[in-house]
Parts: sequence; C-alpha cells; structure tokens
Amino acid sequence: GENVEQHPSTLSVQEGDSAVIKCTYSDSASNYFPWYKQELGKRPQLIIDIRSNVGEKKDQRIAVTLNKTAKHFSLHITETQPEDSAVYFCAASDLVNAGKSTFGDGTTLTVKP
Amino acid sequence: SQTIHQWPATLVQPVGSPLSLECTVEGTSNPNLYWYRQAAGRGLQLLFYSVGIGQISSEVPQNLSASRPQDRQFILSSKKLLLSDSGFYLCVCRGRRGSYNEQFFGPGTRLTVL
Repeated sequence: GENVEQHPSTLSVQEGDSAVIKCTYSDSASNYFPWYKQELGKRPQLIIDIRSNVGEKKDQRIAVTLNKTAKHFSLHITETQPEDSAVYFCAASDLVNAGKSTFGDGTTLTVKP
Repeated sequence: SQTIHQWPATLVQPVGSPLSLECTVEGTSNPNLYWYRQAAGRGLQLLFYSVGIGQISSEVPQNLSASRPQDRQFILSSKKLLLSDSGFYLCVCRGRRGSYNEQFFGPGTRLTVL
C-alpha cells in the first residue's frame, strides 16, 4: 500500500518568514495530493491540493509543488502569520481506487510574532 | 455541498464496553465514506471505507467493525473497547468540487477509553 512520510515534524518560524513542509510517497498510482490544516481540537480543513498532471499550484500565500518522478511534494507558506500556527497534514490519494487517502504524520507549525 | 454529522461529539467509555459511533451525510447520494482515527499527536489512519450500502472494506486488523445500513449512514462499532481505541474518529465523505473529488471531514468524535 501507499506510504507517506512528512518532514519536519515540528517547525518554528518568525512571523513574515517562509515555511516549507515536505512529503514523499511510495505508490506511483497516487494522483491527488491535498494539504490540510488542523487547529487544536478541530477537524482538518483542506487548504490546497494538486493533481498529478500539474507541477505547481498557488493560492495567495500558499503554494504546492509536485515532483512525480521523485515522488515528493511540498507545501510552501510565504509571509507567515501567527494564525498560520497549526498542524499541517499532507496526503496521497488514488482517485480511481475508491479514493482512499494515506496521510503523513503531520507538521506542527509555530509562527512566532 | 455535503454536510457530515457525527455523534456523539465526545465519549468516555470504560475498557471492555461496547461502542457505536454514527455518521450521516447530507447533500449527496451514493458517496464513498471513510472512517479515520487520529491518535494524539499523530496523523490520520484509515480504518474502513465503503463504496455503497452493505459494502465495507477494512484497512487494518483491529478491534473495530463498520457497517453501512443506508446510503448516507456509516456506523463504527466495537463489542469490547481497548485502551488503544482512544482517539479522534473522523467520518469522511468523498464528493465533487468542480472537477475534483474532495474529501469532506465530519466534526469528529473524541473517544477516551479508561
């Protein structure tokens, strides 16, 4: 089955700096890669996603890049703000095979004011 | 868009007691439904998924079972809870968002087994 590894497990940055979280996956059949933000005690919320036919996608301060050959994808947050502090999860999904997702273990991002 | 309901929101149960968590979905028909568990400080582990009524696939051997008695109802059960069953249980529905299939998360049930 799919295996997703996420690094780092914790990340602390100064407000205004950039944050980068990286994930690798193992199953070449995975074709959909969402990123979720989870605040304490709440459900994960989708913040950005990318499909395997695209190499990069950007939404304001958030961007995701995908390297299918190397089987890794990354989340980039620019101009970080204290409200960006949360746990971020990457996931790899095969939209054909019942759409199951395998999640990374999460990255706790702390943005210091 | 889809709306997912889960109950109860929180639950404290003794070891060895039974469990029933319910998930219902509105705003879609014949969805793919999933049960995930999130242990404290960890990622989400897929427990079960269902592509239709009465169809259940288990991802990991465990003390839990799932059922889908109706199209938009998904139930997670256990006959005897273990301490290791504690966690945050999320019901997820895969639905359409434009040309994408997005996962919609329910609000979750926080289970503590003592």
